[in-house]
Amino acid sequence: DTGVSQNPRHKITKRGQNVTFRCDPISEHNRLYWYRQTLGQGPEFLTYFQNEAQLEKSRLLSDRFSAERPKGSFSTLEIQRTEQGDSAMYLCASSLLGSTAYEQYFGPGTRLTVT
Amino acid sequence: QKEVEQDPGPLSVPEGAIVSLNCTYSNSAFQYFMWYRQYSRKGPELLMYTYSSGNKEDGRFTAQVDKSSKYISLFIRDSQPSDSATYLCAMSTLSSNDYKLSFGAGTTVTVRA
Repeated sequence: DTGVSQNPRHKITKRGQNVTFRCDPISEHNRLYWYRQTLGQGPEFLTYFQNEAQLEKSRLLSDRFSAERPKGSFSTLEIQRTEQGDSAMYLCASSLLGSTAYEQYFGPGTRLTVT
Repeated sequence: QKEVEQDPGPLSVPEGAIVSLNCTYSNSAFQYFMWYRQYSRKGPELLMYTYSSGNKEDGRFTAQVDKSSKYISLFIRDSQPSDSATYLCAMSTLSSNDYKLSFGAGTTVTVRA
């Protein structure tokens, strides 16, 4: 399978715990995006990487959130001290540098449930 | 007010009916207009995209963009039970520095056999 992969697919955690998600983009895709989708809503942009550089962070990304993309390959999204409001689907997408916006390919998402 | 508004439905139609979906938006800089299909607990997959105004047809799917009214539509002809999903509209500007997609809330569609 050469699509975007995300792990884990589902994470249940207790409030206050830290969680980390992983995204493996399509091979050779320079751009990587994270979106958050809450129940009944469309995805909302969180952050964007071009290679290993994090070029933009949404104001939705509070100080408890951190994302990395070491060596411009896979990316991780960590949430510290989780809150119930963090319960959502976290989607990763990737695209080639120079591609248009519609050429983002989404992964299956990681569903986070904070109890 | 959100940049992109979409009626969440739900919408239930009999098999073979035409499904009509629409979104409105407020950002006049949007130039790319996309429709995604999302099955339950899956990521969105691109159905169609349109650049600027006009119509685009792909099999049973037709996308329309009216920039003067800031209104986009998706029509699904001869709907099938396999079309049951959430349909998301998304938009972006033309700027190479603006790669973010702005999504609507999604409309949940059920096609009854």
